[in-house]
Amino acid sequence: ETGVTQSPTHLIKTRGQQVTLRCSSQSGHNTVSWYQQALGQGPQFIFQYYREEENGRGNFPPRFSGLQFPNYSSELNVNALELDDSALYLCASSLVTGGSYNEQFFGPGTRLTVL
Amino acid sequence: AQSVTQPDIHITVSEGASLELRCNYSYGATPYLFWYVQSPGQGLQLLLKYFSGDTLVQGIKGFEAEFKRSQSSFNLRKPSVHWSDAAEYFCAVFGGATNKLIFGTGTLLAVQP
Repeated sequence: ETGVTQSPTHLIKTRGQQVTLRCSSQSGHNTVSWYQQALGQGPQFIFQYYREEENGRGNFPPRFSGLQFPNYSSELNVNALELDDSALYLCASSLVTGGSYNEQFFGPGTRLTVL
Repeated sequence: AQSVTQPDIHITVSEGASLELRCNYSYGATPYLFWYVQSPGQGLQLLLKYFSGDTLVQGIKGFEAEFKRSQSSFNLRKPSVHWSDAAEYFCAVFGGATNKLIFGTGTLLAVQP
């Protein structure tokens, strides 16, 4: 069983640029959540995708957007990068079957540095 | 508002000593609570979780946690720490209808030989 994978591992961008981060969910999972973890902080929820539609969003501006594909992999896009966007971006997948909670399995993350 | 507080930013213990990491939560209903561990450059690994029932839950790597509703706490414990336990530990609560995990700021554990 393949776990959650993310690419790239590290990325350096400059202010104002756009970035796309990718996540492959664990086999059999249908839901992907994205989190931002700034240095010295806990992960903060960005949004979640279920069956290719956004299914919950945290307190992040619209320049953070996402996609989920038919194979349940996902992308996180950030436009007009700011210095404060420098962080570890974590993807988590889960299998939502209608229960109240479904365990989220985390990938290793993508470290984004904005200069 | 739902929140998680981890009062200790950094803790150092000697190898073989006992460990307790504190976590307090704020949540209106019965919480679903979690402890995760993060090693440098790694993602988050689930140590244990509490949904209901027995308030003392056992996890992986010899960790346990106790849910105390009266104190809104979910402290993580280990009787004897190993050098490999050095990592950052995060407490989290499930945000219900918002479908998200709400994390504390983490406690960085250092283990002295």
